[in-house]
Amino acid sequence: QVQLQQWGAGLLKPSETLSLTCAGSGGSFSDYSWSWIRQSPGKGLEWIGEVNHGGSTNYNPSLKSRVTISLDTSNNQFSLKLNSVIAADTAVYFCARGSREWVRPPYYYYYMDVWDSGTTVTVSS
Amino acid sequence: DIQMTQSPSFLSASVGDRVTITCRASQTISDYLNWYQQKPGEAPKLLVYGSFTLQSGVPSRFSGSGSGTDFTLTINRLQPEDSATYYCQQSYGTPFTFGPGTKVDIK
Repeated sequence: QVQLQQWGAGLLKPSETLSLTCAGSGGSFSDYSWSWIRQSPGKGLEWIGEVNHGGSTNYNPSLKSRVTISLDTSNNQFSLKLNSVIAADTAVYFCARGSREWVRPPYYYYYMDVWDSGTTVTVSS
Repeated sequence: DIQMTQSPSFLSASVGDRVTITCRASQTISDYLNWYQQKPGEAPKLLVYGSFTLQSGVPSRFSGSGSGTDFTLTINRLQPEDSATYYCQQSYGTPFTFGPGTKVDIK
């Protein structure tokens, strides 16, 4: 079963760039999507976006102008960059695997079944 | 975006009780509904996907149902380890969105 572990800076100043990387071990990186989700007391759980095994991305429109998610298949890693951070970006950030179960093609169930333990990112001057 | 609501926001029940949590979507989402359990300091854990399919390894006392806009998560014979916050999440369309959570406390 794949396990995920992420790393990156935990304390940022306003206007800096948040950069996190998540690495998978113990399983295949293909045939899945890879998501970033954040959780803050004020906004609950918020899906940031995903990258699929082909490198295509899908972002939450609320963050799209500031977000880049990329995939490094050679190292089984994917990354999140969030530009111009503000205090409201303070949250626990999770990376997760998105899996699909086909119902009736082209329809499928999509769910996030493997998560890392999360990392706290604080934005403060 | 599809808005998800949950009720109640908090409930307290005794070991052995049957507990029901409700989730409602702002538009029809067929059965593209997932449930997660989160304990303090941990990541969410997938319990149910596709409204009613139990994720591998999840105890059979958990069950999900519903379609369209209204969904339920039921915990039969509540156990002490079920103390957690439960979230629904729609996968009908992006951006994927979560409910605000229901905190379950054991009396």
